[in-house]
Amino acid sequence: GAGVSQSPSNKVTEKGKDVELRCDPISGHTALYWYRQSLGQGLEFLIYFQGNSAPDKSGLPSDRFSAERTGGSVSTLTIQRTQQEDSAVYLCASNRGMRGEQYFGPGTRLTVT
Amino acid sequence: KQEVTQIPAALSVPEGENLVLNCSFTDSAIYNLQWFRQDPGKGLTSLLLIQSSQREQTSGRLNASLDKSSGRSTLYIAASQPGDSATYLCAVYPQGGSEKLVFGKGTKLTVNP
Repeated sequence: GAGVSQSPSNKVTEKGKDVELRCDPISGHTALYWYRQSLGQGLEFLIYFQGNSAPDKSGLPSDRFSAERTGGSVSTLTIQRTQQEDSAVYLCASNRGMRGEQYFGPGTRLTVT
Repeated sequence: KQEVTQIPAALSVPEGENLVLNCSFTDSAIYNLQWFRQDPGKGLTSLLLIQSSQREQTSGRLNASLDKSSGRSTLYIAASQPGDSATYLCAVYPQGGSEKLVFGKGTKLTVNP
C-alpha cells in the first residue's frame, strides 16, 4: 500500500519568507508526527497529532512554527518568517497510535538563503 | 529525561562480516524500542520494533535484542552486504503517557565490497 508522502521534496526560500510543508499519512493511521533533522544532529520532535485530541506542540522551537491537521488526515507544517537556522530536513511519520511502529515519509529538505 | 546514545558513530566493515550495532538509553522504563535505517537523502525505514516485554526480534538477517535492566539494545546484522550501508538509528518510547520517540544520533555503517 501507499506509504507516507511529503511535498515538496526540496524547498529553497529566502530568509523572511513563509513556507508550508505537507504530509499525507498512511490511510487509517490516526497518529501523525513531525520531526526535524539538522545536519549532524539527531531527530528533533516537533509536534504530534492523535485523532481528535489537542496536538502535543511541546517540540515546536518558536511561535514561528505551527501545524494543522485537517480531517484527521493531511497535515501542513508552516514556518513563518524563515531564518537560516530553520534549514533542515523535515520528516513526517504516522502510526496507528498507542506508541506503535512509526512509518516515515521521505522528508522535505528546506534551505533558507 | 530519557537520552539515547549510539556508539560508534561510524563503522566500516568488509562484506560478509557479522556485526553488532549498539544502543543505550538512560532510563530503563521504556514502552518499546524501534530500529530504523536511513539511506542518504531519504527518510527512515522501520526495521524492527521490540516491545518492552520482549527480549528480541528477528527479521531476515537482522536480530535486535533488548535488555531493559541494563538500558541496552543491540542490532545484529549477519553476513553484511554493501546494500546494508546506511545510518542505523534506534529510538525508544518512554514509559508513561509520552507518545514521542526519543532518538539516538545513529551509527553510520559502511560495508565494503
